[in-house]
Amino acid sequence: DSGVTQTPKHLITATGQRVTLRCSPRSGDLSVYWYQQSLDQGLQFLIQYYNGEERAKGNILERFSAQQFPDLHSELNLSSLELGDSALYFCASSATGTTNEKLFFGSGTQLSVL
Amino acid sequence: AQKVTQAQTEISVVEKEDVTLDCVYETRDTTYYLFWYKQPPSGELVFLIRRNSFDEQNEISGRYSWNFQKSTSSFNFTITASQVVDSAVYFCALRLYYGGSQGNLIFGKGTKLSVKP
Repeated sequence: DSGVTQTPKHLITATGQRVTLRCSPRSGDLSVYWYQQSLDQGLQFLIQYYNGEERAKGNILERFSAQQFPDLHSELNLSSLELGDSALYFCASSATGTTNEKLFFGSGTQLSVL
Repeated sequence: AQKVTQAQTEISVVEKEDVTLDCVYETRDTTYYLFWYKQPPSGELVFLIRRNSFDEQNEISGRYSWNFQKSTSSFNFTITASQVVDSAVYFCALRLYYGGSQGNLIFGKGTKLSVKP
């Protein structure tokens, strides 16, 4: 168990809808990351937060947004969903967000857009 | 641009065989970190090892060993005497020292290892 908690584990929704994925980092970790894993694109970095502030942005679509709250949990909001958004979404955390740290990953949220 | 290539998409071995998973990376930066992660059938990503670009010492942890060669930009992973529980997808990843959008983990496509009894 990595200590990173993601909910829900599975989510099935329809095109055009909006969903929210939630992540609680390991106790004491200040940095949270979101990754998307799809069959065609593989594992792709979406966004990183550190102590409530956005630190780095990757291949995140404009329809997607995220935030990290004062209690350090994070939410990834996906809107106007398309079939191609179906993927496994991972949250990860690390202590301070520096680049030499290993990331601890949650078990992911499997999103299916029908 | 940074890139990680895992040329082996799938490997199948019989239990107790040794197996090497290849990883080749591309970067012009001199300071970077390399990682291996394991994704078992249950789906989570499990950290296996981190290596920084200045440390070319090979590492052994039980049945696992890693060979880092900067001259060939490779960071290969060997499992000795494989077991059924080693069946998983293994990802190699690169992270640059200077952060930013490229300073997060850049993953290869993964190698699916199947170990048959």
